[in-house]
Amino acid sequence: AQSVTQLGSHVSVSEGALVLLRCNYSSSVPPYLFWYVQYPNQGLQLLLKYTSAATLVKGINGFEAEFKKSETSFHLTKPSAHMSDAAEYFCAVSDRSSNTGKLIFGQGTTLQVKP
Amino acid sequence: DAGVTQSPTHLIKTRGQQVTLRCSPISGHKSVSWYQQVLGQGPQFIFQYYEKEERGRGNFPDRFSARQFPNYSSELNVNALLLGDSALYLCASSGALGAGTGELFFGEGSRLTVL
Repeated sequence: AQSVTQLGSHVSVSEGALVLLRCNYSSSVPPYLFWYVQYPNQGLQLLLKYTSAATLVKGINGFEAEFKKSETSFHLTKPSAHMSDAAEYFCAVSDRSSNTGKLIFGQGTTLQVKP
Repeated sequence: DAGVTQSPTHLIKTRGQQVTLRCSPISGHKSVSWYQQVLGQGPQFIFQYYEKEERGRGNFPDRFSARQFPNYSSELNVNALLLGDSALYLCASSGALGAGTGELFFGEGSRLTVL
């Protein structure tokens, strides 16, 4: 069965510092991988997704993630944090072979950005 | 263009009652998925409907049911409410069946409190 593990339920960085949010997945075949952001009292917004081909995926708001099959990881990074990046971030996987809209989400990581 | 709209935004029920939550997808989207997000956790997949047919079901009891109407809007019903059903219920629409081929757009959710 597929699963997602987000390492660190809470990450705190200073404004302008590197953001690194970790995600590891478990799947028998390379899945589709996603990062979503959730601001307080709002739904989820897609940051980026990996479906095939390029292993380095660029998303919105300056975020990017690299798919590493050997490490079964899909960590999210941003070179310089802004105060507006403070939110909850979720990594998710989808079974490539089932062709459904089912996503399996991790527990989430709360990003705090200090001035 | 309107995004995914959900109603009601907040509601309070007592144990044993029944609740109906509603979702209108983005115009042109034929896929609607429902997720349950318990406080402090990632969303969990409940159902997916595509072209008015159930295309996926998560690990939820039969108290949970859903349907999709000819205009592609959807309802989620939960019977015999339990305290543990208290959560944010998220609806997501997509223009495609598979998560890899279409982006999921989430509504802001319906927050259910069961007393």
